[in-house]
Amino acid sequence: EDKVVQSPLSLVVHEGDTVTLNCSYEVTNFRSLLWYKQEKKAPTFLFMLTSSGIEKKSGRLSSILDKKELFSILNITATQTGDSAVYLCAVAPGGGTSYGKLTFGQGTILTVHP
Amino acid sequence: DADVTQTPRNRITKTGKRIMLECSQTKGHDRMYWYRQDPGLGLRLIYYSFDVKDINKGEISDGYSVSRQAQAKFSLSLESAIPNQTALYFCATSGVTDTQYFGPGTRLTVL
Repeated sequence: EDKVVQSPLSLVVHEGDTVTLNCSYEVTNFRSLLWYKQEKKAPTFLFMLTSSGIEKKSGRLSSILDKKELFSILNITATQTGDSAVYLCAVAPGGGTSYGKLTFGQGTILTVHP
Repeated sequence: DADVTQTPRNRITKTGKRIMLECSQTKGHDRMYWYRQDPGLGLRLIYYSFDVKDINKGEISDGYSVSRQAQAKFSLSLESAIPNQTALYFCATSGVTDTQYFGPGTRLTVL
C-alpha cells in the first residue's frame, strides 16, 4: 500500500521566517511527487517533481526530491501571512492498476503571524 | 469561469437520505476523481474514472456510487447518507500528466 507522511503536522512562524516542510513516501512504482497549497477550499497545484536533485522554484517557494531516500522538501523563504495554508504532498505511482491515482499525505498546517 | 465546478457547495441532509453531488469540467480532461477530506486525514480517493466507460473504486468506496454521464460530468451519490459521511468532498480532473485540478469542494453535513 502506498504511503505518504508529512511533517511537521503544524507549524507556526512569524513573517520573514524561512520554513521547510517534509514529505516522505513509500510507493511501489514511483512516477512523480506533487505539492499542493490549500487555503480555504480547493487545493491548488504548486510543483510536480520527477527527478532527484533538480530544484523546482516559483518565487519564494522551492522544492526538491530525493528518490534514493524517498522524500521531498518544500521550502518557503521570507514567509508572508498569505502563505498561511495547508500544504499537501502526494505521490503518483507508475504502472499497472494504480496508474494516474494520487496518494496524499495528511498535510502540514502552516500559520504565519504578522 | 472556473474550470472545475461542483454543485451544491454546501448541503445539510438527514440520515438515510439519498444525496447526489455533481461535478463538471471545461478542461477537456478524460480523467476525473472524487475525494473526501476529513480533518487530519488528508484527501482520500473514493472513485475515479479514466474515460466515460471506465469507473474504478478508490480506497473508501463503500457507501458511495458514481456516474460518468459525459466526458465533462462525473457525479457522486450517497445512496443512504450516514453521519460519518459528513466531510468536505472534492472533484478533480487530470489530463496526460499526474497533475490534478480540483473543484471548489462541497461541504456535506449528515445529521
